[in-house]
Amino acid sequence: AQSVTQPDIHITVSEGASLELRCNYSYGATPYLFWYVQSPGQGLQLLLKYFSGDTLVQGIKGFEAEFKRSQSSFNLRKPSVHWSDAAEYFCAVARYNAGNMLTFGGGTRLMVKP
Amino acid sequence: GAGVSQSPSNKVTEKGKDVELRCDPISGHTALYWYRQSLGQGLEFLIYFQGNSAPDKSGLPSDRFSAERTGGSVSTLTIQRTQQEDSAVYLCASRPGTVNTEAFFGQGTRLTVV
Repeated sequence: AQSVTQPDIHITVSEGASLELRCNYSYGATPYLFWYVQSPGQGLQLLLKYFSGDTLVQGIKGFEAEFKRSQSSFNLRKPSVHWSDAAEYFCAVARYNAGNMLTFGGGTRLMVKP
Repeated sequence: GAGVSQSPSNKVTEKGKDVELRCDPISGHTALYWYRQSLGQGLEFLIYFQGNSAPDKSGLPSDRFSAERTGGSVSTLTIQRTQQEDSAVYLCASRPGTVNTEAFFGQGTRLTVV
């Protein structure tokens, strides 16, 4: 079965500092990978996705993520964090053949200090 | 509609009552997911519909939970004899049936069992 691990439950960074959120997955083949963001009281919004090709993918709001097959990782990065980035971030893995679901990590809550 | 719509946005119910949660997916999306998000927790998969195939019910926590999808569009999640531990945000997502696509989430229904 596929699984997703986000090792950091909480992360606090200063505004303007760089950010990296970790995501590791367990799956026997190249999965489809996603990062979603959830602001308080809101649904999930897609930040970026990886299906194939270039392993460095760009997303919205200045985020990027790099797929590293050897490390089974898909870490999310942002060079300079803004206060509005404070939210919860979820990494997800999917295998889109018959009858499979989207599996999420436990989430990382990001706090931004002024 | 423009996005996935869930209703009601909030529901307070008494322990032991039945509740129905509704999800209107994006028009044309053949895949539909239900997830549960308990306070401070990640996303727990409940059920997955794909076109006319039998749904994947492997995530339903008990036989008090059921879901249907009529006409390949609207879905209803029913919880019978609600318990306090059912209190959570229930999220619905839909996705086009083709590969290389992401899931789009609704705003969720916050269920409180008192």
